[in-house]
Amino acid sequence: ETGVTQTPRHLVMGMTNKKSLKCEQHLGHNAMYWYKQSAKKPLELMFVYSLEERVENNSVPSRFSPECPNSSHLFLHLHTLQPEDSALYLCASSQDLLAEAYEQYFGPGTRLTVT
Amino acid sequence: AQTVTQSQPEMSVQEAETVTLSCTYDTSESDYYLFWYKQPPSRQMILVIRQEAYKQQNATENRFSVNFQKAAKSFSLKISDSQLGDAAMYFCAYRSESKSTFGDGTTLTVKP
Repeated sequence: ETGVTQTPRHLVMGMTNKKSLKCEQHLGHNAMYWYKQSAKKPLELMFVYSLEERVENNSVPSRFSPECPNSSHLFLHLHTLQPEDSALYLCASSQDLLAEAYEQYFGPGTRLTVT
Repeated sequence: AQTVTQSQPEMSVQEAETVTLSCTYDTSESDYYLFWYKQPPSRQMILVIRQEAYKQQNATENRFSVNFQKAAKSFSLKISDSQLGDAAMYFCAYRSESKSTFGDGTTLTVKP
């Protein structure tokens, strides 16, 4: 384990459901990220937060809604998803957003299946 | 825009042999870092090695080393004495003050 935890690890949801993914980092980092990893496009950056402020949103559909209540927690709220949203959702953190020397620490991911 | 290209979707190596994974990138920035991450099956992605663009000396971490060619914008990963535990997907990543970009990954199989 790398200090970044994600819950749940597996999630199956219907297209009309609402669910949330949770990420928590215990590393004292200032930046947190959501990635989508699927077979078609292995690693897609979705959202970036720095000090609880969203700094990047890479054209992600509005059915994905991030929330960062504090620097240790990051949520991804899901509603009315599509089957093509099925993927592994990875959370990551880094010490600082703008310091390029710092690597990202990844969580184990949530395997999401939309039925 | 910064792009990272891993031209080998899959590679295989015999246990105890050496394998090299390729990565090229495109950037107009002068100050940046390059990383290799490893994602074992059903396990978390972890950092393997990092290289600062200003350093000419290639980074080395035990059996892992890089061949960094800044002018050619090439950053390959060499794994020596391959072990079964090296089997994973490997991602090359570029990071600067303004951008963080990952390649599409190379799946490495290690044959006993």
